[in-house]
Amino acid sequence: AQSVTQLGSHVSVSEGALVLLRCNYSSSVPPYLFWYVQYPNQGLQLLLKYTSAATLVKGINGFEAEFKKSETSFHLTKPSAHMSDAAEYFCAVTLYNQGGKLIFGQGTELSVKP
Amino acid sequence: ETGVTQSPTHLIKTRGQQVTLRCSSQSGHNTVSWYQQALGQGPQFIFQYYREEENGRGNFPPRFSGLQFPNYSSELNVNALELDDSALYLCASSLDSRRTNTGELFFGEGSRLTVL
Repeated sequence: AQSVTQLGSHVSVSEGALVLLRCNYSSSVPPYLFWYVQYPNQGLQLLLKYTSAATLVKGINGFEAEFKKSETSFHLTKPSAHMSDAAEYFCAVTLYNQGGKLIFGQGTELSVKP
Repeated sequence: ETGVTQSPTHLIKTRGQQVTLRCSSQSGHNTVSWYQQALGQGPQFIFQYYREEENGRGNFPPRFSGLQFPNYSSELNVNALELDDSALYLCASSLDSRRTNTGELFFGEGSRLTVL
């Protein structure tokens, strides 16, 4: 069975600082990995995905994530935080033949201080 | 291009009642998935419909049921509501086949259900 663990339910950074949101996964076979973002009172939006191609994945709004098999990690980073990045971020895992079932982590709330 | 729309946005029910939530998928998408997001938690997969047939189900009891219509819109029905059913219910559409899954889901803004 697959699972994801997001380390830190709340992360606070200053505007312009590095953003690092941590995600570790568990899967017996190569997984597909995703980061989704949820702004207040909205649904989730796909930030980026890893599907066994390049291990460094670039997404929207300047975010990127690196798949590290040896560490079973898929951490999300952004070099310089912006106030508009404040939101809830979810890491998710699935398999190619899982019929659409995404398994989400508990989420990390990102706060950006001016 | 029309996005995923859900209705109603908010509703309040009492224990034991039944509820129906509705979802219109994004134009061109043939697959609809439903997720339950309890307060402070990540979304949990309820089930998925592909071309009007259930195509995968999470760990939810049979009182959670669904339908998908020929135009690919969908309903989620919950019978015998319990207090723990209070949550945000998210619908997501995608363009997939029965056995493959891109994981690229397009979510609606959700229906927030409160059970008293």
